[in-house]
Amino acid sequence: RKEVEQDPGPFNVPEGATVAFNCTYSNSASQSFFWYRQDCRKEPKLLMSVYSSGNEDGRFTAQLNRASQYISLLIRDSKLSDSATYLCVVNRGQGGKLIFGQGTELSVKP
Amino acid sequence: ETGVTQSPTHLIKTRGQQVTLRCSSQSGHNTVSWYQQALGQGPQFIFQYYREEENGRGNFPPRFSGLQFPNYSSELNVNALELDDSALYLCASSLTGMNTEAFFGQGTRLTVV
Repeated sequence: RKEVEQDPGPFNVPEGATVAFNCTYSNSASQSFFWYRQDCRKEPKLLMSVYSSGNEDGRFTAQLNRASQYISLLIRDSKLSDSATYLCVVNRGQGGKLIFGQGTELSVKP
Repeated sequence: ETGVTQSPTHLIKTRGQQVTLRCSSQSGHNTVSWYQQALGQGPQFIFQYYREEENGRGNFPPRFSGLQFPNYSSELNVNALELDDSALYLCASSLTGMNTEAFFGQGTRLTVV
């Protein structure tokens, strides 16, 4: 079993749709949590950090449930430019030792 | 632009050869991590360097080795290349600490034939 598991993709949605990505992690010692976005053949870029209290950045909302070891990302009013792979990421230790899920591909269609 | 630069951007090597990939970290960042990303997979942690010392290693064989220099730049060396080593190799720089953001370079795409 992988330490970080994500919904299999791809997700194909129309513009304006709301889409939700789910992720579970197996190591209860995990300390910090993130969603990264990766465009085709480019490097991953931080989308947002995820906190137990939940956090929102415009159309994006992230939630963390430590008891269930579950992380989610909600994208409202999808734009064509949201098309990318979304990576669920966990940090078990200091610095940048990040553990990535395999990623979920999102394709937003006109 | 993240300020993290990797070279070369693309590389083709023959099985059994050795390769060195380079990374210049973002100014002020003292920690460099290397990741391998196979096609269709998420990046896999190879190892991390902090103040020129290895500071954690993922599940990679010893033929994957690295260095960090006093200016915090870093090298990833892979000996005895195998076909399965074909991947995107990503370098990330950060400050040490739990919640600091890691900034990735654009990656080196290695093809082993």
